[in-house]
Amino acid sequence: AQSVTQLGSHVSVSEGALVLLRCNYSSSVPPYLFWYVQYPNQGLQLLLKYTSAATLVKGINGFEAEFKKSETSFHLTKPSAHMSDAAEYFCAVTPYNQGGKLIFGQGTELSVKP
Amino acid sequence: EAEVAQSPRYKITEKSQAVAFWCDPISGHATLYWYRQILGQGPELLVQFQDESVVDDSQLPKDRFSAERLKGVDSTLKIQPAELGDSAMYLCASQRGSSLNTEAFFGQGTRLTVV
Repeated sequence: AQSVTQLGSHVSVSEGALVLLRCNYSSSVPPYLFWYVQYPNQGLQLLLKYTSAATLVKGINGFEAEFKKSETSFHLTKPSAHMSDAAEYFCAVTPYNQGGKLIFGQGTELSVKP
Repeated sequence: EAEVAQSPRYKITEKSQAVAFWCDPISGHATLYWYRQILGQGPELLVQFQDESVVDDSQLPKDRFSAERLKGVDSTLKIQPAELGDSAMYLCASQRGSSLNTEAFFGQGTRLTVV
């Protein structure tokens, strides 16, 4: 079964520093991959998705992610953290041939220090 | 801007009681999902509808959970009887189709606390 693993349940960075949130997937077939953000007591908002077009995907709010098949990774980055980026981030995969169903990782909580 | 509406936002219920959640998807979205998110974990799919038909309910605890989408528009998720372990955020999402070229939009969720 397809799955994603997020390394680090909590990441803390200083404002203006690089943000790097790690995600690895398990799939024998290149999957569709997603990053979502969730603010406290809110639903999930799509940041970006990989659908086998470009390997470097740009999303909203300055985030981007790079699909690396050799490393089975889809890490999320942002060059300069802002206080408003503090939230929970989820990596997700859609199983091959199962439509829109999403399988989520455990999440990474991002804290941004002033 | 169109959004997925869920109610109530918060619900506290005693164990063994019945509880229901309601979701109104974005107009024209044929696919509707119910996810459960336990505190500190990622969401897990409970049920997926295509119009009024269930596409996937393999993870729905059918002895106590039920879901319906009678007219292929809004949907209700019911738990009877509620157990302490059901305390979680219940998220509804809708999507125009089931193609990966369309985005799933999430509602703000219903936070359930069973006491």
